[in-house]
Amino acid sequence: DAKTTQPNSMESNEEEPVHLPCNHSTISGTDYIHWYRQLPSQGPEYVIHGLTSNVNNRMASLAIAEDRKSSTLILHRATLRDAAVYYCILREGAQKLVFGQGTRLTINP
Amino acid sequence: EAGVVQSPRYKIIEKKQPVAFWCNPISGHNTLYWYRQNLGQGPELLIRYENEEAVDDSQLPKDRFSAERLKGVDSTLKIQPAELGDSAVYLCASSPGTNMNTEAFFGQGTRLTVV
Repeated sequence: DAKTTQPNSMESNEEEPVHLPCNHSTISGTDYIHWYRQLPSQGPEYVIHGLTSNVNNRMASLAIAEDRKSSTLILHRATLRDAAVYYCILREGAQKLVFGQGTRLTINP
Repeated sequence: EAGVVQSPRYKIIEKKQPVAFWCNPISGHNTLYWYRQNLGQGPELLIRYENEEAVDDSQLPKDRFSAERLKGVDSTLKIQPAELGDSAVYLCASSPGTNMNTEAFFGQGTRLTVV
């Protein structure tokens, strides 16, 4: 399974932007980059995904490096409700969603 | 539209007892996953179904775990007998497509405690 590397934890302040990094140096040309987050006592929820181009949706933006070996999830204006564990996942052809340890994001009021 | 529904939310059993978890995926979703999540870890895939066929059960401990998805809709995951190490959150997820460009929707999970 393709692997991703994320920092164990990050901290930010409310109403400030947050940049969550992910390294995936062994990504193949057909792997999609997916981000999920897991709020306390909830199942994971989809945030965003992309292949090569940067992507925006109502929750976040995804910036993908030109060589695709890294990506950054951007929360433009963090709120307390964004405190969660964020998972960066490479979605492979076998429909697998393989989760790593993720990044625990703490938002300070 | 209702999301993925799992029951029960919580279950406490004694070791060596059987336990079953139920999942109702989103209507029309062909792909169904069961994951196990230990405390402080990311979810680990146990089994994946495409309709009623288990297409990936390589991580399912088959000596004590079993799963079924009759008629390609609801699914049940069973443990018999349960061990202390089975204490975890069991998550069900469903997905509409069969390609990498689709998202998965997760239920809230069943928290199992084996005492």
